[in-house]
Amino acid sequence: EVQVLESGGGLVQPGGSLRLSCAASGFTFSSYAMIWVRQAPGKGLEWVSTISGSGSTTFYADSVKGRFTISRDNSRNTLFLQMNSLRVEDTAIYYCAKTHPRSSSVFDYWGQGTLVTVSS
Amino acid sequence: DIQMTQSPSSLSASVGDRVTITCRASQDISNFLAWFQQKPGKAPKSLIYAASSLQSGVPSRFSGSGSGTDFTLTVNSLQPEDFATYYCQQYNSYPWTFGQGTKVEI
Repeated sequence: EVQVLESGGGLVQPGGSLRLSCAASGFTFSSYAMIWVRQAPGKGLEWVSTISGSGSTTFYADSVKGRFTISRDNSRNTLFLQMNSLRVEDTAIYYCAKTHPRSSSVFDYWGQGTLVTVSS
Repeated sequence: DIQMTQSPSSLSASVGDRVTITCRASQDISNFLAWFQQKPGKAPKSLIYAASSLQSGVPSRFSGSGSGTDFTLTVNSLQPEDFATYYCQQYNSYPWTFGQGTKVEI
């Protein structure tokens, strides 16, 4: 069974850092691009970042470029999102998602999300 | 960036109704369009990709159509478990963008 499970969320002050993890199981992790998406409280979905299966290619939303870094450890089947210089507007539930077997740009399975709160 | 606009923002429907949601892209995205369902307090669920291809396990009462800039999601014979918020998303080019959502209420 495919599973992706996020962790690492919590309360952090503005300007602080946090690293999110997404543990994957039930599929050959290194064969799939992975995605981070966030959702601010009561708001819609916002794509954050995508990383290729090998980790060699990454893409970022302008709102996080230069502050967030996506990475992966294929030996541990784990996806990461390092978040630095956090702002109040980064407060959101962060979801990781696996891509579809037929396309590295199509969402497949989603995790349950982890809440990040940026507040003083 | 490509803007995705959904209509309506919300709608009321009854069990058994046929519901149609529209999504318009600000430029041609071919068929690089996906639809998602999200229930309160839950993660989104992938429904459709490539504008009209059903994800595995999604009931056949869900269907998608369109290409270029105009797309629709149709739910035939609405079931109680279908009351949720639906989002479209383009993956033609980065940054990937979502519509603002359509809430389907009883």
